[in-house]
Amino acid sequence: QVHLVQSGGGVVKPGGSLGLSCVASGFSFSDYSLHWVRQAPGKGLEWVALVSSDGDNKYYTDSVKGRFAISRDNSRNTLYLQMDRLGAEDTAVYFCARAGSKLALYYFDYWGQGSLVTVSS
Amino acid sequence: EIVMTQSPATLSVSPGERVTLSCRASQSAVSRNLAWYQQKPGQTPRLLIYGASTRATGIPARFSGSGSGTEFTLTISSLQSEDFAVYYCQQYNVWPPLTFGGGTKVQIK
Repeated sequence: QVHLVQSGGGVVKPGGSLGLSCVASGFSFSDYSLHWVRQAPGKGLEWVALVSSDGDNKYYTDSVKGRFAISRDNSRNTLYLQMDRLGAEDTAVYFCARAGSKLALYYFDYWGQGSLVTVSS
Repeated sequence: EIVMTQSPATLSVSPGERVTLSCRASQSAVSRNLAWYQQKPGQTPRLLIYGASTRATGIPARFSGSGSGTEFTLTISSLQSEDFAVYYCQQYNVWPPLTFGGGTKVQIK
């Protein structure tokens, strides 16, 4: 049974930093690309970042490029998101998500429970 | 960036009714790389459909997807009480970025 269990999140001041983690179980972690998707309060879903199965390739939505860093540790079955220079616009629930295919078909079949990140002074 | 537009924003329906939700891509390069998700308040999104028409594991047959190119549809053949939720489409043909529609809220009439 696939599980994605998130930790991290909380309240941070504008300009601050925060890290999120997502521990996976129930599948061959190193076979799948992984993603972060966020949802601002009362809003829709927004894709944030993707890391390939081997960790070599990373992609970001424009609004977080240069501020956020996605990474993974395949030996620990763990996905990370390091968020720097946070602004109010980054306030959201952040979900980790698994790509539904081992190929480059990036829909999401399993999701973490979500981590609330609030950027406020 | 491919912009996904869903309509209507809100749909008021009665249990047992047939429901049709629409999703339009701004460019034709989406092909059939389109997924649908259901999200209930306080819950994580749930994958319903991928490849425009393939039901995900465990999804009831009353959910069906169709379309290709720029026009897509999610149909719920007979709405059940547990189906009241927000539905999102997402394209994964051209990325980055992967993009979602703004969602359609299906509420009780």
